[in-house]
Amino acid sequence: QVQLQESGPGLVRPSQTLSLTCTVSGVSISSVPSYWNWIRQPPGKGLEWIGYISYSGLTYYSPSLNSRVSISLDTSKNQLSLRLRSVTAADTAMYYCARDQWPPAGLDPWGQGTLAIVSS
Amino acid sequence: QSVLTQPPSVSGAPGQRVTISCTGSSSNIGAGYDVHWYQQLPGTAPKLLIYDNSNRPSGVPDRFSGSKSGTSASLAITGLQAEDEADYYCQSYDSSLSGYNVFGTGTTVTVL
Repeated sequence: QVQLQESGPGLVRPSQTLSLTCTVSGVSISSVPSYWNWIRQPPGKGLEWIGYISYSGLTYYSPSLNSRVSISLDTSKNQLSLRLRSVTAADTAMYYCARDQWPPAGLDPWGQGTLAIVSS
Repeated sequence: QSVLTQPPSVSGAPGQRVTISCTGSSSNIGAGYDVHWYQQLPGTAPKLLIYDNSNRPSGVPDRFSGSKSGTSASLAITGLQAEDEADYYCQSYDSSLSGYNVFGTGTTVTVL
């Protein structure tokens, strides 16, 4: 059974870099045709796709965040990471990681999410 | 700035049938990309409810069904129950500059 769990600092200062980790269990992140996604949800608002990284390290980011975001894999820890630079209050959100397979069949499973607040 | 549009809210009495629309365009749903649906119960992460337009993952009640036609998709809930009160999102893929994965604006289902 594949499980994902996000973790992060909780509070980030404006203009700094937000760094989050998603720990995957039940499957190797590099051994199957999977696409590991980051999605965020501002408080009281809808879902926004951030980007994905494939099992082979190929990345694709949302055009609206492309200049500030990077996603990477750490195969030794079976983790994926998200880095979002130059954050503002608008980046305050619950951040989720989720898996998609190939061919795509929906994002499943999702982690429980980690809340990141941008505030001084 | 979601490219998939859903009604903000729908409501129904227990036992009734409700439908949620998801309207896209020729660069996403109309291009033939599949549509997936998610249920987000209060305070929890979204959960895959329908995949590939009309398929239910194991464990999802058959009260939930999905369909797709042209540039739109729909989610139907028959025999509405109190535990169905949640937010629902559609998701598809897009070939324009909107990005790869695109989500709908979300719909809140209220059981009266």
